[in-house]
Amino acid sequence: DTEVTQTPKHLVMGMTNKKSLKCEQHMGHRAMYWYKQKAKKPPELMFVYSYEKLSINESVPSRFSPECPNSSLLNLHLHALQPEDSALYLCASSQAQFSSYEQYFGPGTRLTVT
Amino acid sequence: SQQGEEDPQALSIQEGENATMNCSYKTSINNLQWYRQNSGRGLVHLILIRSNEREKHSGRLRVTLDTSKKSSSLLITASRAADTASYFCATVLSGYSTLTFGKGTMLLVSP
Repeated sequence: DTEVTQTPKHLVMGMTNKKSLKCEQHMGHRAMYWYKQKAKKPPELMFVYSYEKLSINESVPSRFSPECPNSSLLNLHLHALQPEDSALYLCASSQAQFSSYEQYFGPGTRLTVT
Repeated sequence: SQQGEEDPQALSIQEGENATMNCSYKTSINNLQWYRQNSGRGLVHLILIRSNEREKHSGRLRVTLDTSKKSSSLLITASRAADTASYFCATVLSGYSTLTFGKGTMLLVSP
Protein backbone atom coordinates (compact mmCIF):
# COMPACT_ATOMS: atom_id res chain seq x y z
CA ASP A 1 0.00 0.00 0.00
CA THR A 2 1.70 3.17 -1.23
CA GLU A 3 -1.16 5.51 -0.51
CA VAL A 4 -1.57 8.51 1.73
CA THR A 5 -5.21 9.22 2.48
CA GLN A 6 -6.69 12.51 3.62
CA THR A 7 -10.12 13.36 4.97
CA PRO A 8 -12.23 15.26 4.31
CA LYS A 9 -11.73 16.06 0.61
CA HIS A 10 -13.47 19.39 0.98
CA LEU A 11 -14.19 21.50 4.06
CA VAL A 12 -16.05 24.77 4.46
CA MET A 13 -15.81 26.40 7.85
CA GLY A 14 -16.63 29.68 9.47
CA MET A 15 -14.05 31.78 11.25
CA THR A 16 -15.33 30.70 14.66
CA ASN A 17 -15.43 26.97 13.93
CA LYS A 18 -13.07 24.26 15.12
CA LYS A 19 -12.34 21.47 12.67
CA SER A 20 -9.67 18.86 12.05
CA LEU A 21 -7.96 17.48 8.97
CA LYS A 22 -6.82 13.87 9.03
CA CYS A 23 -4.05 12.06 7.22
CA GLU A 24 -3.15 8.37 7.29
CA GLN A 25 -0.43 6.20 5.77
CA HIS A 26 0.36 2.51 6.17
CA MET A 27 3.76 2.42 4.49
CA GLY A 28 5.68 2.35 7.76
CA HIS A 29 6.99 5.84 7.08
CA ARG A 30 8.41 7.65 10.10
CA ALA A 31 8.26 11.21 8.77
CA MET A 32 5.02 13.03 8.02
CA TYR A 33 4.44 16.53 6.70
CA TRP A 34 1.77 19.19 6.34
CA TYR A 35 1.92 21.60 3.41
CA LYS A 36 -0.30 24.52 2.44
CA GLN A 37 -0.84 25.31 -1.23
CA LYS A 38 -2.61 28.38 -2.56
CA ALA A 39 -3.99 28.43 -6.10
CA LYS A 40 -1.29 28.48 -8.81
CA LYS A 41 1.46 28.48 -6.15
CA PRO A 42 3.86 25.79 -5.00
CA PRO A 43 3.31 23.89 -1.75
CA GLU A 44 4.73 25.55 1.34
CA LEU A 45 5.92 23.45 4.25
CA MET A 46 4.07 23.96 7.53
CA PHE A 47 5.09 21.15 9.89
CA VAL A 48 7.28 18.06 9.97
CA TYR A 49 6.89 15.13 12.34
CA SER A 50 9.73 12.69 12.72
CA TYR A 51 9.15 9.53 14.74
CA GLU A 52 5.92 11.08 16.04
CA LYS A 53 7.66 14.15 17.42
CA LEU A 54 7.30 17.64 16.00
CA SER A 55 10.56 18.30 14.22
CA ILE A 56 9.91 21.47 12.25
CA ASN A 57 7.34 24.24 12.63
CA GLU A 58 7.76 26.81 9.88
CA SER A 59 6.49 29.70 12.01
CA VAL A 60 2.88 28.71 11.43
CA PRO A 61 0.22 30.70 13.33
CA SER A 62 -1.11 29.00 16.45
CA ARG A 63 -4.58 28.70 14.93
CA PHE A 64 -3.08 25.66 13.19
CA SER A 65 -2.24 22.89 15.65
CA PRO A 66 -0.70 19.63 14.44
CA GLU A 67 -0.92 16.31 16.22
CA CYS A 68 0.63 12.92 15.54
CA PRO A 69 -1.27 10.32 17.62
CA ASN A 70 0.76 7.41 16.24
CA SER A 71 3.15 6.55 13.45
CA SER A 72 0.34 6.18 10.89
CA LEU A 73 -1.80 9.20 11.67
CA LEU A 74 -1.36 12.93 11.40
CA ASN A 75 -3.98 15.52 12.28
CA LEU A 76 -4.18 19.24 11.74
CA HIS A 77 -6.53 21.00 14.14
CA LEU A 78 -7.99 24.27 12.91
CA HIS A 79 -9.44 27.04 15.08
CA ALA A 80 -10.39 30.65 14.44
CA LEU A 81 -9.10 30.61 10.89
CA GLN A 82 -9.08 33.60 8.57
CA PRO A 83 -10.38 33.73 4.98
CA GLU A 84 -6.77 33.92 3.75
CA ASP A 85 -6.22 30.45 5.20
CA SER A 86 -8.39 29.04 2.41
CA ALA A 87 -6.12 26.70 0.46
CA LEU A 88 -5.36 23.10 -0.44
CA TYR A 89 -3.78 21.35 2.55
CA LEU A 90 -1.53 18.49 1.59
CA CYS A 91 -0.20 15.73 3.78
CA ALA A 92 2.90 13.78 2.82
CA SER A 93 5.05 11.04 4.27
CA SER A 94 8.54 9.70 3.68
CA GLN A 95 10.55 6.78 4.95
CA ALA A 96 12.41 9.09 7.29
CA GLN A 97 13.22 12.77 7.58
CA PHE A 98 16.33 12.53 5.49
CA SER A 99 16.98 14.36 2.30
CA SER A 100 17.44 11.27 0.16
CA TYR A 101 13.87 10.03 0.52
CA GLU A 102 11.02 10.88 -1.82
CA GLN A 103 7.79 12.12 -0.34
CA TYR A 104 4.40 10.52 -0.96
CA PHE A 105 1.53 12.99 -1.04
CA GLY A 106 -2.13 12.58 -0.27
CA PRO A 107 -4.82 14.11 -2.53
CA GLY A 108 -5.30 17.05 -0.20
CA THR A 109 -8.15 18.74 1.64
CA ARG A 110 -9.53 21.82 -0.06
CA LEU A 111 -10.40 24.23 2.74
CA THR A 112 -12.62 27.26 2.37
CA VAL A 113 -12.93 29.68 5.29
CA THR A 114 -16.00 31.92 5.14
CA SER B 1 11.58 31.15 0.62
CA GLN B 2 11.44 29.56 -2.81
CA GLN B 3 14.67 28.09 -4.03
CA GLY B 4 13.83 26.77 -7.50
CA GLU B 5 12.56 28.76 -10.43
CA GLU B 6 11.01 26.84 -13.30
CA ASP B 7 11.05 27.97 -16.87
CA PRO B 8 8.80 28.26 -18.75
CA GLN B 9 5.85 29.04 -16.48
CA ALA B 10 3.53 27.47 -19.03
CA LEU B 11 4.09 25.17 -22.00
CA SER B 12 1.59 24.03 -24.62
CA ILE B 13 2.46 21.23 -27.05
CA GLN B 14 0.84 18.56 -29.22
CA GLU B 15 0.74 14.86 -28.37
CA GLY B 16 3.88 13.11 -29.52
CA GLU B 17 6.11 16.15 -29.09
CA ASN B 18 8.80 16.43 -26.44
CA ALA B 19 8.46 18.79 -23.50
CA THR B 20 11.42 20.36 -21.75
CA MET B 21 11.19 22.21 -18.46
CA ASN B 22 14.05 23.92 -16.70
CA CYS B 23 14.72 24.66 -13.06
CA SER B 24 17.31 27.02 -11.64
CA TYR B 25 18.28 27.32 -8.01
CA LYS B 26 20.45 29.58 -5.93
CA THR B 27 22.40 27.68 -3.27
CA SER B 28 24.21 24.39 -2.85
CA ILE B 29 21.90 21.37 -2.84
CA ASN B 30 21.95 17.80 -1.60
CA ASN B 31 19.52 16.63 -4.24
CA LEU B 32 16.83 17.88 -6.58
CA GLN B 33 13.48 16.20 -7.10
CA TRP B 34 10.75 16.58 -9.72
CA TYR B 35 7.08 16.20 -8.88
CA ARG B 36 3.91 16.25 -10.99
CA GLN B 37 0.56 17.62 -9.82
CA ASN B 38 -2.64 17.05 -11.69
CA SER B 39 -5.15 19.85 -11.34
CA GLY B 40 -5.82 20.54 -7.66
CA ARG B 41 -4.63 17.13 -6.52
CA GLY B 42 -1.69 15.68 -4.61
CA LEU B 43 1.83 15.62 -5.94
CA VAL B 44 3.46 12.55 -7.43
CA HIS B 45 7.21 12.01 -7.16
CA LEU B 46 8.88 11.55 -10.57
CA ILE B 47 12.65 11.49 -10.13
CA LEU B 48 15.31 12.30 -7.53
CA ILE B 49 18.78 13.27 -8.75
CA ARG B 50 21.64 13.66 -6.31
CA SER B 51 24.18 16.44 -6.48
CA ASN B 52 26.90 14.06 -7.67
CA GLU B 53 24.76 12.74 -10.55
CA ARG B 54 24.46 14.37 -13.95
CA GLU B 55 21.61 12.50 -15.61
CA LYS B 56 18.83 10.06 -14.72
CA HIS B 57 16.17 8.32 -16.74
CA SER B 58 12.80 6.88 -15.82
CA GLY B 59 10.61 5.64 -18.66
CA ARG B 60 9.88 8.66 -20.88
CA LEU B 61 11.49 11.05 -18.39
CA ARG B 62 15.06 12.30 -18.52
CA VAL B 63 16.47 14.62 -15.88
CA THR B 64 19.78 16.40 -16.04
CA LEU B 65 21.58 18.32 -13.33
CA ASP B 66 24.34 20.89 -13.81
CA THR B 67 25.57 21.96 -10.38
CA SER B 68 28.04 24.44 -11.87
CA LYS B 69 25.14 26.32 -13.44
CA LYS B 70 22.76 25.49 -10.59
CA SER B 71 20.17 24.21 -13.01
CA SER B 72 18.22 21.09 -13.90
CA SER B 73 16.01 20.11 -16.78
CA LEU B 74 13.16 17.63 -17.13
CA LEU B 75 12.51 16.17 -20.57
CA ILE B 76 9.31 14.29 -21.29
CA THR B 77 9.53 12.44 -24.59
CA ALA B 78 6.60 11.48 -26.82
CA SER B 79 4.15 13.39 -24.62
CA ARG B 80 0.58 12.25 -24.10
CA ALA B 81 -2.58 14.14 -23.13
CA ALA B 82 -2.33 12.41 -19.74
CA ASP B 83 0.96 14.28 -19.13
CA THR B 84 -1.05 17.50 -18.78
CA ALA B 85 -0.21 18.71 -15.27
CA SER B 86 1.93 21.12 -13.29
CA TYR B 87 5.53 20.08 -12.81
CA PHE B 88 7.56 21.26 -9.83
CA CYS B 89 11.21 20.99 -9.08
CA ALA B 90 12.04 20.77 -5.40
CA THR B 91 15.46 21.20 -3.89
CA VAL B 92 16.92 19.84 -0.70
CA LEU B 93 19.55 22.28 0.46
CA SER B 94 22.89 21.00 1.72
CA GLY B 95 22.63 20.40 5.46
CA TYR B 96 18.84 20.33 5.41
CA SER B 97 16.27 17.61 5.01
CA THR B 98 13.17 19.41 3.76
CA LEU B 99 11.95 20.20 0.27
CA THR B 100 11.65 23.70 -1.12
CA PHE B 101 9.44 23.83 -4.19
CA GLY B 102 9.85 26.05 -7.21
CA LYS B 103 6.96 27.91 -8.78
CA GLY B 104 6.21 25.15 -11.29
CA THR B 105 5.58 24.76 -15.01
CA MET B 106 2.05 24.15 -16.27
CA LEU B 107 2.18 21.70 -19.18
CA LEU B 108 -0.76 21.33 -21.55
CA VAL B 109 -0.61 18.48 -24.05
CA SER B 110 -3.29 18.66 -26.71
CA PRO B 111 -4.52 15.55 -28.57
